[in-house]
Amino acid sequence: GAVVSQHPSRVICKSGTSVKIECRSLDFQATTMFWYRQFPKKSLMLMATSNEGSKATYEQGVEKDKFLINHASLTLSTLTVTSAHPEDSSFYICSARGVSYEQYFGPGTRLTVT
Amino acid sequence: LAKTTQPISMDSYEGQEVNITCSHNNIATNDYITWYQQFPSQGPRFIIQGYKTKVTNEVASLFIPADRKSSTLSLPRVSLSDTAVYYCLVGGSGTYKYIFGTGTRLKVLA
Repeated sequence: GAVVSQHPSRVICKSGTSVKIECRSLDFQATTMFWYRQFPKKSLMLMATSNEGSKATYEQGVEKDKFLINHASLTLSTLTVTSAHPEDSSFYICSARGVSYEQYFGPGTRLTVT
Repeated sequence: LAKTTQPISMDSYEGQEVNITCSHNNIATNDYITWYQQFPSQGPRFIIQGYKTKVTNEVASLFIPADRKSSTLSLPRVSLSDTAVYYCLVGGSGTYKYIFGTGTRLKVLA
């Protein structure tokens, strides 16, 4: 299957700083990318949908000014957590969809805010 | 968006066939049914996808009845390494976004 990478795999940052997470589709062009967060032993929660070259669509309750999403090319989307707080600590996962209905997920990024 | 309902957890023994059923009563005409497997601290991994009847690949089979209001993932001869959470997702039409349900936590015992 198609490969989606995320970078970094884990990051620790201080409260108040910003962190950028990259999501790349390595062997296909992703017209749409999705960002999820997951708390321990819980299911994935969709945060936003991003289409290449347009603004992301955020799910209800997700602060768009806090979680900045950019989908500048067909292979790269970034999620920036601005002014991070300890409650933003979570496992962030992206997925990418190409021309088929299949979605491929990245390996996830573990964010810890101290 | 179609909501899915799955058993919260299941236990099985090595070598057995495991069937996990998912209900999706509000599935739309254009929706596909997709199953993913997730291990702790990893992203979900695609297992199988189908629209109707039966689909089989090298790791699983997917059975979908004619009304498409449910589906069953069949894992033949599970091993300890199949212990994971399995998610049934319905989507494909419109924005293609997936809303994850609780998933089924499968535990394979020796």
